[in-house]
Amino acid sequence: NAGVTQTPKFRVLKTGQSMTLLCAQDMNHEYMYWYRQDPGMGLRLIHYSVGEGTTAKGEVPDGYNVSRLKKQNFLLGLESAAPSQTSVYFCASSIAGGGYNEQFFGPGTRLTVL
Amino acid sequence: AQKITQTQPGMFVQEKEAVTLDCTYDTSDQSYGLFWYKQPSSGEMIFLIYQGSYDEQNATEGRYSLNFQKARKSANLVISASQLGDSAMYFCAMTPPGDNYGQNFVFGPGTRLSVLP
Repeated sequence: NAGVTQTPKFRVLKTGQSMTLLCAQDMNHEYMYWYRQDPGMGLRLIHYSVGEGTTAKGEVPDGYNVSRLKKQNFLLGLESAAPSQTSVYFCASSIAGGGYNEQFFGPGTRLTVL
Repeated sequence: AQKITQTQPGMFVQEKEAVTLDCTYDTSDQSYGLFWYKQPSSGEMIFLIYQGSYDEQNATEGRYSLNFQKARKSANLVISASQLGDSAMYFCAMTPPGDNYGQNFVFGPGTRLSVLP
């Protein structure tokens, strides 16, 4: 049981390049989330999904797109990377939403945009 | 909007001693959930403990306990008998009522705990 996995673990991009981060979970969770973590700011929600085929914007969605074609996968795309997107990206999943369900996190992807 | 404050950017504790990590929150809601996560240097986020706002008892999970004071809007994490492996960043988080999709999971800025041998 791998839980939540993320690929890649590290990536360096040049400004303007594109890339896709992959998140996979094997817990049959309906809800999935993408966060970014920056120093001193905790985690901020980028996009989330409440089920296969659905996505919604979080707190900081600009510059990112997502897709949830399969229940177990949640992809985060950067179409034209900018230095401001240098961050650590975390994927999370939850069996349900609401205030009583913890989110399970992946190991993170460290992205540097030069 | 909900907000989490963790006033201690860094804390030191001697091995085997207890330590309290502070968390205060700002909400006008009466029903909400409070969480603590641990982030070791390896980077993953590990769920530690949960407290519901209507829970009458303070939550406990092994060496972790939550000192919940609803009137003061504080949810401090207490780690008893600290171990070297407890050295990590600790994040307090909350969700408000009506957060049907978990999209309002708000995190504090974190406290870095260092356990000294």
